[in-house]
Amino acid sequence: DAGVIQSPRHEVTEMGQEVTLRCKPISGHNSLFWYRQTMMRGLELLIYFNNNVPIDDSGMPEDRFSAKMPNASFSTLKIQPSEPRDSAVYFCASSLHGDNEQFFGPGTRLTVL
Amino acid sequence: AQSVAQPEDQVKVAEGNPLTVKCTYSVSGNPYLFWYVQYPNRGLQFLLKYITGDNLVKGSYGFEAEFNKSQTSFHLKKPSALVSDSALYFCAVTRTGFQKLVFGTGTRLLVSP
Repeated sequence: DAGVIQSPRHEVTEMGQEVTLRCKPISGHNSLFWYRQTMMRGLELLIYFNNNVPIDDSGMPEDRFSAKMPNASFSTLKIQPSEPRDSAVYFCASSLHGDNEQFFGPGTRLTVL
Repeated sequence: AQSVAQPEDQVKVAEGNPLTVKCTYSVSGNPYLFWYVQYPNRGLQFLLKYITGDNLVKGSYGFEAEFNKSQTSFHLKKPSALVSDSALYFCAVTRTGFQKLVFGTGTRLLVSP
């Protein structure tokens, strides 16, 4: 199994631009999580899905952030417009619903200039 | 509400010595407890978990953790540290019926040769 796949691995953009991060969960996993990691705030859960349905988006910082999961094998996290304070490493993780062990992707390092 | 505390930002040990990384938790109900490790520029990797049963849990790479209900602790241990164990370690908690993991702030382990 290839594990959780994220793209791009690195993204550098300018303030105001739209950014789309992508995630492919482990095949057969039906829960998907988006996290953000910064030095200041540590690891924060942004949103999670069960069976493609968003369950808890209370961690999404503001309306500039949106996440979708159109099918079981793909999810996106979009930031529009991006701001320098969005610079962070964004992780996607997946798990089997009912099993709490989460498997993390390698992350996307986002830099907003 | 669930919470996790990792009281030490950094732990330093010499190679060959035993190591302990501390974690205390707060949760209503029965806890599910996890340890993850993060190497530089990588995602989090699962080390071990406690769900129920034996209070001493054995995991990957020779690590183990002891669940102590009276002290609400779940300390990570290894009898003999390796330089390659140097990484960032995260404790996490959830409870029965909840999908969401709450992570601690992380403890950086430095193992000197």
